[in-house]
Amino acid sequence: DTGVSQDPRHKITKRGQNVTFRCDPISEHNRLYWYRQTLGQGPEFLTYFQNEAQLEKSRLLSDRFSAERPKGSFSTLEIQRTEQGDSAMYLCASSLGTGDISNQPQHFGDGTRLSIL
Amino acid sequence: GESVGLHLPTLSVQEGDNSIINCAYSNSASDYFIWYKQESGKGPQFIIDIRSNMDKRQGQRVTVLLNKTVKHLSLQIAATQPGDSAVYFCADVNQAGTALIFGKGTTLSVSS
Repeated sequence: DTGVSQDPRHKITKRGQNVTFRCDPISEHNRLYWYRQTLGQGPEFLTYFQNEAQLEKSRLLSDRFSAERPKGSFSTLEIQRTEQGDSAMYLCASSLGTGDISNQPQHFGDGTRLSIL
Repeated sequence: GESVGLHLPTLSVQEGDNSIINCAYSNSASDYFIWYKQESGKGPQFIIDIRSNMDKRQGQRVTVLLNKTVKHLSLQIAATQPGDSAVYFCADVNQAGTALIFGKGTTLSVSS
């Protein structure tokens, strides 16, 4: 399978715990995006990397959230001190391109579903 | 502001019919639009995209129409099949040109 891979697929944790998700983009895709999706809504942008540089962060990305892409390949998204409102599907997408993102469409993984008890 | 929305939350069709899913957008400066299909438990799957210098683009069994005058786009699915049942999202690009802005989605149900 050469698509975007996310791990784990499901995560259940208690409120206050830290969680970390991993995303492996399509090989050679230089752009990587994180989105959050709640039930019945469309995905909402969280942050975006071009290679290893984090170029934009949404206001949705509070200081409890941190994302990294240390070698410009896989990325991790960490949530510290989780809260009930963090329960959602966390989606990763990747694309290949430079300049405007309309150069190439974004391809999504199947997400990590986070449930906070 | 930036927002992309769909006219109807649900659409039910018979197998073999043509389906039309509509989307309105508010940012007149948007120059790129994209349709995704999302099945239960999966991530959004790219269907087709269109740039603002076009008013129509065709793919395999799908056609996207863009009307910039009224800021409306539609996704037409020909000969709809049960496997087309899913939630369909339209999206455009934020003002910074760095991220997709999604609407709420239309749930398409296809009955045999």
